[in-house]
Amino acid sequence: EAGVAQSPRYKIIEKRQSVAFWCNPISGHATLYWYQQILGQGPKLLIQFQNNGVVDDSQLPKDRFSAERLKGVDSTLKIQPAKLEDSAVYLCASSPGRRTRTDTQYFGPGTRLTVL
Amino acid sequence: LAKTTQPISMDSYEGQEVNITCSHNNIATNDYITWYQQFPSQGPRFIIQGYKTKVTNEVASLFIPADRKSSTLSLPRVSLSDTAVYYCLVGFNSGNTPLVFGKGTRLSVIA
Repeated sequence: EAGVAQSPRYKIIEKRQSVAFWCNPISGHATLYWYQQILGQGPKLLIQFQNNGVVDDSQLPKDRFSAERLKGVDSTLKIQPAKLEDSAVYLCASSPGRRTRTDTQYFGPGTRLTVL
Repeated sequence: LAKTTQPISMDSYEGQEVNITCSHNNIATNDYITWYQQFPSQGPRFIIQGYKTKVTNEVASLFIPADRKSSTLSLPRVSLSDTAVYYCLVGFNSGNTPLVFGKGTRLSVIA
């Protein structure tokens, strides 16, 4: 079974530039998550989708971050414009979605973003 | 916002059993306890999940007392490859409360 795919793996941009990350979840998984992980900290949930609807985006900085999940499969996370404090690893995860709050999440390898 | 509490770090020698305890005083009746493992430059990986008493799989055991306000992840006979960060995750109350990863426990296994 193929895992969660993410691209790119690494990205370096200057502040005020825009960047987009892509995620392809495990086939058939209804729930998709985007996390931000700053060095030395645990992952912080940014947004959670159930199929193509948003379940939770309370911690997404909506003035600069946006995310979509078209057709309930792939997802993109965008930052526009980027700030220095956005430097982090962005993790995508998916889960079957049968019991959302205790569902086992499967994580991708992450995208390491460096903002200069 | 409810949270979990774990030791920041632990050291162990190869071949020893390691027990990592997580406190979750605000756990809700229907919530499960899940542990994840994260190696450097990788996403977290599911280890084990439980609701009460004891759960065991090929990787670890999870002990949960009757009051469910804490849980202990037990790794038998650790090896150098078990060096990682271990996160305790608990699904807290209703609907829109986001799942929370704490800072985790950094386990260092020494030869």
